[in-house]
Amino acid sequence: AQKITQTQPGMFVQEKEAVTLDCTYDTSDPSYGLFWYKQPSSGEMIFLIYQGSYDQQNATEGRYSLNFQKARKSANLVISASQLGDSAMYFCAMRRVNTGNQFYFGTGTSLTVIP
Amino acid sequence: GAVVSQHPSWVICKSGTSVKIECRSLDFQATTMFWYRQFPKQSLMLMATSNEGSKATYEQGVEKDKFLINHASLTLSTLTVTSAHPEDSSFYICSARTVRVEQFFGPGTRLTVL
Repeated sequence: AQKITQTQPGMFVQEKEAVTLDCTYDTSDPSYGLFWYKQPSSGEMIFLIYQGSYDQQNATEGRYSLNFQKARKSANLVISASQLGDSAMYFCAMRRVNTGNQFYFGTGTSLTVIP
Repeated sequence: GAVVSQHPSWVICKSGTSVKIECRSLDFQATTMFWYRQFPKQSLMLMATSNEGSKATYEQGVEKDKFLINHASLTLSTLTVTSAHPEDSSFYICSARTVRVEQFFGPGTRLTVL
């Protein structure tokens, strides 16, 4: 079974500081994709960043970067220069390539940015 | 990115009634759509995978007769919660996959069963 683990149920960060949200995964699939989504209180899932299992370099998207350590099976999200609007739930997800591209989500981390 | 809509965005119904939720891909054809369920302060749980023109594949523990999924066209999938009960109250989210394998999420439907 595929498993995504987010060990931080809640995190606080000072505005303008950087924060790292942890994500580990467990799969025996050779090919997979790792995603981070932001879910504000409105409920919509907002795509942030993607890392393919064969990508050699860590993905970056603006203030978001993904610290991908394949051997350790971790895919931590780093948010630099936090903003008040970053306060939301953050979900790590893994997409299985072999079986219809289903997504499996972690339990989420609630991030609160403090002014 | 591509746009996926859901209708209704929220619904309140009486126990024992059936509720239909629509998921539409507005500007692309979705060969596959996925339905998720999310309880308050919890993660998204995949309920089923829906392929156009074929029967949905349900995840373990999801009742097929309770949650009817129809994917009649490349732009529309529906989830019908039959004989809804208060424990079915949840946030239901669909996602649609393009031929390029990218997946886009709908805004979700909040169901409250009284």
